[in-house]
Amino acid sequence: QSVLTQPPSASGTPGQRVTISCSGSSPNIGSNTVDWYQQLPGTAPKFLLSSNNQRPSGVPDRFSGSKSGTSASLAISGLQSEDEADYYCATWDDSLSGRVFGGGTKLTVL
Amino acid sequence: EVRLLESGGALVQPGGSLRLSCAASGFTFSTYAMTWVRQAPGKGLEWVSAVGGGGGGSTHHAESVKGRFIISRDNSKNTLYLHMSSLRVEDTALYYCAKGSAVWSRASLESWGQGTLVTVSA
Repeated sequence: QSVLTQPPSASGTPGQRVTISCSGSSPNIGSNTVDWYQQLPGTAPKFLLSSNNQRPSGVPDRFSGSKSGTSASLAISGLQSEDEADYYCATWDDSLSGRVFGGGTKLTVL
Repeated sequence: EVRLLESGGALVQPGGSLRLSCAASGFTFSTYAMTWVRQAPGKGLEWVSAVGGGGGGSTHHAESVKGRFIISRDNSKNTLYLHMSSLRVEDTALYYCAKGSAVWSRASLESWGQGTLVTVSA
């Protein structure tokens, strides 16, 4: 059971906008920025962006993040087939003094 | 270009020990926090341990490995380590090394290695 809760799956058609939610609590999402990681099949995870929308160069602005209270979400607009991947939210938990990950969401592009 | 190269993964019996290494290049290693994250076969990501940068080097470990794993770093060798002992079957996973975006352990994990496989089995 993960400290952060994500839906196990999400799907959309090319060009569509999809959102992935991440629910936590006060010591984690409520107190820290939330990061999103993308893991393409068979590859290492890659940092996508933070809830304050800081992102590495090369990450398209089709990807955006937000946070409100103890929940966060990742939005992907203009969905493309190459976006098919597992997406993980993560943040620091002040009570656990460690990082916590969501269980991951498998995004399918129909 | 940031490069992180993990090594040391192997097949080990339950109760055994192992040391993982992560050789870093392309950035000022001592300045940044470093983290180990693992992924069991077919499962999600699990944070294992982190060590701060900047010389302070405070460490943090997940409850599941506390007392068995120790994270350390050698800034003179630009290398991160994970000393693993009393290994259990449930420690079987691909272990990733990741570079933080700042000195603090809670910083975003902005670069990842390709991982090294640890298999614990009799």
